[in-house]
Amino acid sequence: GENVEQHPSTLSVQEGDSAVIKCTYSDSASNYFPWYKQELGKRPQLIIDIRSNVGEKKDQRIAVTLNKTAKHFSLHITETQPEDSAVYFCAASAGNKLTFGGGTRVLVKP
Amino acid sequence: EAQVTQNPRYLITVTGKKLTVTCSQNMNHEYMSWYRQDPGLGLRQIYYSMNVEVTDKGDVPEGYKVSRKEKRNFPLILESPSPNQTSLYFCASSSLPLRETQYFGPGTRLLVL
Repeated sequence: GENVEQHPSTLSVQEGDSAVIKCTYSDSASNYFPWYKQELGKRPQLIIDIRSNVGEKKDQRIAVTLNKTAKHFSLHITETQPEDSAVYFCAASAGNKLTFGGGTRVLVKP
Repeated sequence: EAQVTQNPRYLITVTGKKLTVTCSQNMNHEYMSWYRQDPGLGLRQIYYSMNVEVTDKGDVPEGYKVSRKEKRNFPLILESPSPNQTSLYFCASSSLPLRETQYFGPGTRLLVL
């Protein structure tokens, strides 16, 4: 089955700097790659996703890139703010199952 | 308001005592799923359902059962809970195909003694 690895597990950045989280997946049939943000004590919420026919997608300060050949995708957050502090999960889907990475705890220091 | 609800939100039980966690959605979604969240392991899929009476195993189905008798409900059943099932459980739903937003419930924190 699909295996998704996510790095780093923790990331500390200064407010205003950029944050990058990387994920790799194993199943070449995966064609949908969402990113979820989970604030402390809350449920995961979708922040951005990308489909396999697109190499990059951007939404304000958040962008995701996909390299299908290398089977990796990344989340980029620019101009980080304290409210970006949370746990971020990448995921990959190759049909009816969604496999998540282990999560990255991001701390934005004021 | 479109939402996914779970009950109970918190549960403490003892080994071997059967329990059910309910999940309900009001968005007419075909797809529903259960995940467990453990530190460092992310969210792992337990079971999912594509529609009424259609269920399938996720990555960690051992020790769990599900049913989908109605489109809006997808209960998670632990017939004989064990301490290694202590975890945070999330139900989620989405429309099909599975390239749309999954909406998560608020979570159920389970402690098995």
